[in-house]
Amino acid sequence: DAGVIQSPRHEVTEMGQEVTLRCKPISGHNSLFWYRQTMMRGLELLIYFNNNVPIDDSGMPEDRFSAKMPNASFSTLKIQPSEPRDSAVYFCASRPERGELFFGEGSRLTVL
Amino acid sequence: EDKVVQSPLSLVVHEGDTVTLNCSYEVTNFRSLLWYKQEKKAPTFLFMLTSSGIEKKSGRLSSILDKKELFSILNITATQTGDSAIYLCAVEEAGANNLFFGTGTRLTVIP
Repeated sequence: DAGVIQSPRHEVTEMGQEVTLRCKPISGHNSLFWYRQTMMRGLELLIYFNNNVPIDDSGMPEDRFSAKMPNASFSTLKIQPSEPRDSAVYFCASRPERGELFFGEGSRLTVL
Repeated sequence: EDKVVQSPLSLVVHEGDTVTLNCSYEVTNFRSLLWYKQEKKAPTFLFMLTSSGIEKKSGRLSSILDKKELFSILNITATQTGDSAIYLCAVEEAGANNLFFGTGTRLTVIP
């Protein structure tokens, strides 16, 4: 299995631009998570889906952030408009019904 | 309020030393506690603990859970430079399927 696949690996953009991060979870995993990691705040949960349905989005910073999971093999995290404080590494992770979380390699976002 | 607190925040040791990393938690309905190691990229899974007092061991790493006192420790014996990483602790609540992560302990092993 290829593991959790994220794209892009790196993104540099200017303030105000739209950013879309993509994730393909491991086949057969029914839960998908989006995390943001910074030096100051560590690993923060943004949102997670169970069977493609958003369960908890309380970690989404504000209305500029949105996430979708149109099917079991794809999810997106969108930031519009982006701001410099959104600069971070964004991780997607998936897990089966009960078991450990498998992380993707992350998308490093820099907003200038 | 933080549900998972790790200590120390950072630690510098010499090769061959033994280290103990701490994780305390506060959740309503505990299901499991997980340890991850993060080097330059994604966190990788180390252990999952669900029962008190049962040690999980993998090579020089071991971990144990105390559900009464709500904490876990991760021990690394005879440390090597390759052990340098951020060690993350996460706790799962029953019925939620979510994992709450601590901020991690940054371990640096000096040759």
